Amino acid sequence: GAVVSQHPSWVICKSGTSVKIECRSLDFQATTMFWYRQFPKQSLMLMATSNEGSKATYEQGVEKDKFLINHASLTLSTLTVTSAHPEDSSFYICSARPGLAGNQETQYFGPGTRLLVL
Amino acid sequence: AQSVTQLGSHVSVSEGALVLLRCNYSSSVPPYLFWYVQYPNQGLQLLLKYTSAATLVKGINGFEAEFKKSETSFHLTKPSAHMSDAAEYFCAVSVTGGGNKLTFGTGTQLKVEL
Repeated sequence: GAVVSQHPSWVICKSGTSVKIECRSLDFQATTMFWYRQFPKQSLMLMATSNEGSKATYEQGVEKDKFLINHASLTLSTLTVTSAHPEDSSFYICSARPGLAGNQETQYFGPGTRLLVL
Repeated sequence: AQSVTQLGSHVSVSEGALVLLRCNYSSSVPPYLFWYVQYPNQGLQLLLKYTSAATLVKGINGFEAEFKKSETSFHLTKPSAHMSDAAEYFCAVSVTGGGNKLTFGTGTQLKVEL
């Protein structure tokens, strides 16, 4: 149980286009989802926290207009990288925390999405 | 603010040998500490966590870690490595629990050789 999926697993796009990444909790409801970014040889860095039905909370230094997060349902959050540029190329990982009916002391991670912007 | 340092981005051990992956943390308040493992093309999986109860924490797959406040360390060990342990391991810290913001180390790639 407690599986989180991400789609796509990898994507290549042209500079200036927008890319949407989906994060789904497959067998539980997630009131909170987190989006992380990982550069090669570096840590996972938290970008934002999204709560179902409300606006995401962004970490300092993360442009909210650049990285649009939508958490419209208890099983789906999306991250849209708008007007992508090569410096946005990275590995994006989401995690999901179960709601009150589940273990709120744990977050379950997706397999990640590798984005390459040309 | 909190931070995590993992010493050694790559560790190589022989099958059957002791596994030791190092993690040191910095936190202004009592921390929650975690070890995650990531296999290729899979999400991070929680190995074990320290939440201020016992300082020696046992996790899945025979791994354990000891919280040492005096050394600000939370090293991960396993007495005998298996080939299936080859993966990337991340240490993480939180000040509000595992369901909240995690600060990760840079990861250690464990290689197990015959």
